[in-house]
Amino acid sequence: GDSVTQMEGPVTLSEEAFLTINCTYTATGYPSLFWYVQYPGEGLQLLLKATKADDKGSNKGFEATYRKETTSFHLEKGSVQVSDSAVYFCALRPFVTGGGNKLTFGTGTQLKVEL
Amino acid sequence: GAVVSQHPSWVICKSGTSVKIECRSLDFQATTMFWYRQFPKQSLMLMATSNEGSKATYEQGVEKDKFLINHASLTLSTLTVTSAHPEDSSFYICSANPAGTGNTEAFFGQGTRLTVV
Repeated sequence: GDSVTQMEGPVTLSEEAFLTINCTYTATGYPSLFWYVQYPGEGLQLLLKATKADDKGSNKGFEATYRKETTSFHLEKGSVQVSDSAVYFCALRPFVTGGGNKLTFGTGTQLKVEL
Repeated sequence: GAVVSQHPSWVICKSGTSVKIECRSLDFQATTMFWYRQFPKQSLMLMATSNEGSKATYEQGVEKDKFLINHASLTLSTLTVTSAHPEDSSFYICSANPAGTGNTEAFFGQGTRLTVV
């Protein structure tokens, strides 16, 4: 079945440091890929997405590129802020003819950004 | 963007009682909603797919009689945890997709923290 593997956290960085959170996936065909962010006590918010190979999703300084050859969708940000502290989830949605929106999530990576 | 609201945000109940959690799409209609459960420091596990006007589809290992799902309208799905026990304590999150748009973005509620004492 489909699966998503994320690097384990927590990841602790100083403000303005470079961030990479690795995500790899296993799925048949061409799934859509997502990064969600969860702030403490809140639900998930879509951060960015990519629906086909070589697409780059970007939002709020974060970006991730859909790499079919390495089945990866690593999240990056050039300069993190304290406000980026949250849990980040990588997820995939299989390509299903006629629709369908089941998401498979990774285990989440907690990011802590310190001054 | 589309808004999904869950109620309550948190609830504490006694063991053996039932708890109902509501998931509402505030500005769009949703023929399908999803219920997830999140354990501390773990990922979201899909529990069931809620279908408007028909029975929910449960994932393997999820007890249908314990987690009752009702999707009576295009804007409301409810999850009832029956005869709750401490092991049911968890963070429950719903998501919904706008109807008639095929493969689109899922919008998540803010989650409900259930504590069974």
